[in-house]
Amino acid sequence: AQSVTQPDIHITVSEGASLELRCNYSYGATPYLFWYVQSPGQGLQLLLKYFSGDTLVQGIKGFEAEFKRSQSSFNLRKPSVHWSDAAEYFCAVGARSGGATNKLIFGTGTLLAVQP
Amino acid sequence: NAGVTQTPKFRILKIGQSMTLQCTQDMNHNYMYWYRQDPGMGLKLIYYSVGAGITDKGEVPNGYNVSRSTTEDFPLRLELAAPSQTSVYFCASRQQALQDYGYTFGSGTRLTVV
Repeated sequence: AQSVTQPDIHITVSEGASLELRCNYSYGATPYLFWYVQSPGQGLQLLLKYFSGDTLVQGIKGFEAEFKRSQSSFNLRKPSVHWSDAAEYFCAVGARSGGATNKLIFGTGTLLAVQP
Repeated sequence: NAGVTQTPKFRILKIGQSMTLQCTQDMNHNYMYWYRQDPGMGLKLIYYSVGAGITDKGEVPNGYNVSRSTTEDFPLRLELAAPSQTSVYFCASRQQALQDYGYTFGSGTRLTVV
């Protein structure tokens, strides 16, 4: 069965510092991979996704993520964090097979705080 | 284009009361989902639907019911509210191909059962 692990529950970084949020998945093959962001009181917004090709994917708001098959990881990065990036971040995986019954499995989230 | 619309945004229920959480999407998506979000637990799937008239249980369906009479609407029903159902509920939908855009989420309904 698919599963997603986000080992960091809460991370605090200083504004302007770099950021890396970790995501590890368990799946028998290469899944579809997603990162979502949730601002306080809001729904989830798609940041970026990976399904094939270049393992370094670019997303919105200056975020990028790198798929590493050997480590079963899809870590999210940003070179310089802005105060507006404070939010909760969710990694999600979806199977490449399954068709209509294909559903996303979400990690438990990482809450990012940004210090001035 | 409104996307996924959820109503109400907030609700307080007494134990044993019932209510329906509304979810409507205007993107002609066949696939729709209901998740609940609890602190530190991520999102857990309650029910999902692959088209009008077709629904199925997710991980945590107990205490909930759904229906899908149209492509646009996917309401979630709580028949006998319990404190354990205090949560934030999200509705989501997607296109045919999951890899194209992932899910589109509504802004959520925050429910408190007292």
